[in-house]
Amino acid sequence: DSGVTQTPKHLITATGQRVTLRCSPRSGDLSVYWYQQSLDQGLQFLIQYYNGEERAKGNILERFSAQQFPDLHSELNLSSLELGDSALYFCASSDPSGPEETQYFGPGTRLLVL
Amino acid sequence: AQKVTQAQTEISVVEKEDVTLDCVYETRDTTYYLFWYKQPPSGELVFLIRRNSFDEQNEISGRYSWNFQKSTSSFNFTITASQVVDSAVYFCALEGSARQLTFGSGTQLTVLP
Repeated sequence: DSGVTQTPKHLITATGQRVTLRCSPRSGDLSVYWYQQSLDQGLQFLIQYYNGEERAKGNILERFSAQQFPDLHSELNLSSLELGDSALYFCASSDPSGPEETQYFGPGTRLLVL
Repeated sequence: AQKVTQAQTEISVVEKEDVTLDCVYETRDTTYYLFWYKQPPSGELVFLIRRNSFDEQNEISGRYSWNFQKSTSSFNFTITASQVVDSAVYFCALEGSARQLTFGSGTQLTVLP
């Protein structure tokens, strides 16, 4: 158990809809990262937050947005969903101030868009 | 731009054989970190090792060992005396100055009984 939690575990929705994925980082970790794993693209970095502020952006679509709240949990919002958005979405957290900045991953949210 | 290449898409071995998973990386950063993660059939990503670019010492942890060679930009992973429970997809990843993980495409390891 990495200590990172993600909800829900599974999500089935229809094209055009909007969903919110939630991530709670490990206790004390200030950084949260979001990744998408799909058959086509593999594992791709989407976005990183550090203590509530956006720190880095990767291959994140404009239809997607994220935020990190004062209690450090993060949400990834996916809107106008398309079939190609079906993927496993991982959240990871790390403690950049510590000697080990390893990113520990949550169990993922499996999204299926029908 | 960073790139991680895992040329072996699938490897199949018989239990107790040794197996090496290859990882070659490209980066312009002078300071970077290399990782290996394991993704078993259940889907979670399990951290195995983190190595910084200044530490080329090989590492051994039980049946696992890692060979980091900066001269060839490689960070290979060897499992000694493989077991069925080692069956998983293994990802090599690179983190540079941008603090983003760039993953390779993964190697599916199947260990047959």
